[in-house]
Amino acid sequence: DVKVTQSSRYLVKRTGEKVFLECVQDMDHENMFWYRQDPGLGLRLIYFSYDVKMKEKGDIPEGYSVSREKKERFSLILESASTNQTSMYLCASSLTGTGKEKLFFGSGTQLSVL
Amino acid sequence: GESVGLHLPTLSVQEGDNSIINCAYSNSASDYFIWYKQESGKGPQFIIDIRSNMDKRQGQRVTVLLNKTVKHLSLQIAATQPGDSAVYFCAENSDYKLSFGAGTTVTVRA
Repeated sequence: DVKVTQSSRYLVKRTGEKVFLECVQDMDHENMFWYRQDPGLGLRLIYFSYDVKMKEKGDIPEGYSVSREKKERFSLILESASTNQTSMYLCASSLTGTGKEKLFFGSGTQLSVL
Repeated sequence: GESVGLHLPTLSVQEGDNSIINCAYSNSASDYFIWYKQESGKGPQFIIDIRSNMDKRQGQRVTVLLNKTVKHLSLQIAATQPGDSAVYFCAENSDYKLSFGAGTTVTVRA
């Protein structure tokens, strides 16, 4: 089975801090995604990457950046964390980039910004 | 942009009964749909998917129905069990990525 691993289950950070969320997948998938999940809003796409060093903005990229230096690793960066970025962050991967296939999700990182 | 939505945010079901979770979508160009289950403390897990050239697909205890005329998707769970308690999300493909609805929380009563 595909395994998508997020480095932290819970994180607590202060306003203004730079925050790194790490994600690794072990199935040589081309595409990786970062979503945030908030009650009543479902999953909203922040950024995705279809290849090493490539990235595309999702629906809510403001306040975030990403890095994909290696195929298996996709990092989400909060340059200056704010309280409205308190959320559950989910990383996912998929084999190709058609949008017509299932995503494999990690267990999520619950980030609290104080 | 267009969005996927679920009719009800919560659903309470008696153990052993069948569950029906509904989802309305607005993008008539979408041709792929998928259902996920998310248990407490876990990431979403794939349940079943369907392409627009089909109107029904069955899996183990689950059936997905697609009505393109009214842009409606449903997930039916047969003989609901306590382990089916979770949040269920539908998603549609849009511009080479998936767009998710807000989710329905299913609670199974013993």
